[in-house]
Amino acid sequence: GESVGLHLPTLSVQEGDNSIINCAYSNSASDYFIWYKQESGKGPQFIIDIRSNMDKRQGQRVTVLLNKTVKHLSLQIAATQPGDSAVYFCAGEVYNTDKLIFGTGTRLQVFP
Amino acid sequence: EPEVTQTPSHQVTQMGQEVILRCVPISNHLYFYWYRQILGQKVEFLVSFYNNEISEKSEIFDDQFSVERPDGSNFTLKIRSTKLEDSAMYFCASRRAGAGQPQHFGDGTRLSIL
Repeated sequence: GESVGLHLPTLSVQEGDNSIINCAYSNSASDYFIWYKQESGKGPQFIIDIRSNMDKRQGQRVTVLLNKTVKHLSLQIAATQPGDSAVYFCAGEVYNTDKLIFGTGTRLQVFP
Repeated sequence: EPEVTQTPSHQVTQMGQEVILRCVPISNHLYFYWYRQILGQKVEFLVSFYNNEISEKSEIFDDQFSVERPDGSNFTLKIRSTKLEDSAMYFCASRRAGAGQPQHFGDGTRLSIL
């Protein structure tokens, strides 16, 4: 079956440091992945996506890495800021369907 | 930047009553979705909708649930006879046509069943 999960429920980093949030997926999960940020009381907000024909994609202060060999993806946030504090979800679009499977989420806490 | 908007932000309903959750997707999007998130749990897929019909639905989306696009802008989720376990955040999402287009989410409706 398909599954998408995250490694750590909570990640604490100091302001200015880089953050790395990890996610694993099952064999049949997806060829398209999305990272979302969810702040308290809000819906998931799109950050960055990647298709399986890519290993890396960069945005503004964020990079997503996809390792298909070990079925792992990560979100890197450079120079983490207090405004980055939120829950981060990876989601995979299931093969031949139109639905997203979400991971359990990692809460990123940024301290001064 | 265009957004998905949802109303109401919080709905309190007696068990057994019908409830309608409303969404206005982004205007040039053609694919629409409902998800739910029970407190402290994952976001779960409910249903996808394209070209005025359901394209896929989950096991959660039983015959108590229905969706409708009554006009060119609104997309609704109806629960006919609510149960206590329907209490959750309900998120609407939409995306453009084409492969590799991300789904964009609204801020949700918190549904509380008493």
